[in-house]
Amino acid sequence: GAVVSQHPSRVICKSGTSVKIECRSLDFQATTMFWYRQFPKKSLMLMATSNEGSKATYEQGVEKDKFLINHASLTLSTLTVTSAHPEDSSFYICSAIRQGTEKLFFGSGTQLSVL
Amino acid sequence: GQNIDQPTEMTATEGAIVQINCTYQTSGFNGLFWYQQHAGEAPTFLSYNVLDGLEEKGRFSSFLSRSKGYSYLLLKELQMKDSASYLCAMNSGGYQKVTFGTGTKLQVIP
Repeated sequence: GAVVSQHPSRVICKSGTSVKIECRSLDFQATTMFWYRQFPKKSLMLMATSNEGSKATYEQGVEKDKFLINHASLTLSTLTVTSAHPEDSSFYICSAIRQGTEKLFFGSGTQLSVL
Repeated sequence: GQNIDQPTEMTATEGAIVQINCTYQTSGFNGLFWYQQHAGEAPTFLSYNVLDGLEEKGRFSSFLSRSKGYSYLLLKELQMKDSASYLCAMNSGGYQKVTFGTGTKLQVIP
């Protein structure tokens, strides 16, 4: 099966710093990747759709300047949480659609804790 | 607009059958996913329905009615390890945007 690697799995940072999360499709090309945020005991909230070679499409209420998304290649998308605050603490998960299919594959998630 | 709805919580007995419903509204519907998620972990793929009808995979089956905007996940011979959240998600639009429902937390009791 297809594998999506997400790194780091856990990060603790100080308030005001920036954190970058990487999402890589290891054995397939993904023209579209998605970034989700999940609060404890809640479902996945779509933050943005990341398309290779173009600007990401953000969902309503998600700050573009706060959550920078870059999809530089067919196998890599990054999410940078800029000037992190404690309220940004959450579980962030990426997913990718395998090119030529509609099946969605998830990364293992990143638990971000901002002190 | 887009909307996807499923019950928040369900409880069922070990060995029994449980059906988790999901209703949705969207334009440009492509298909509907079901995922299982244990706390603190990434979701695990269960099924993806594109056409109307029932698809069976072992103890799990998923049904879709495109005209009614309705799907369900059927779990048979419930086991304690099936206690988890079950997420339905719709794939829609040209960019295949995937939007998740709130998830149904299933508790299996002895």
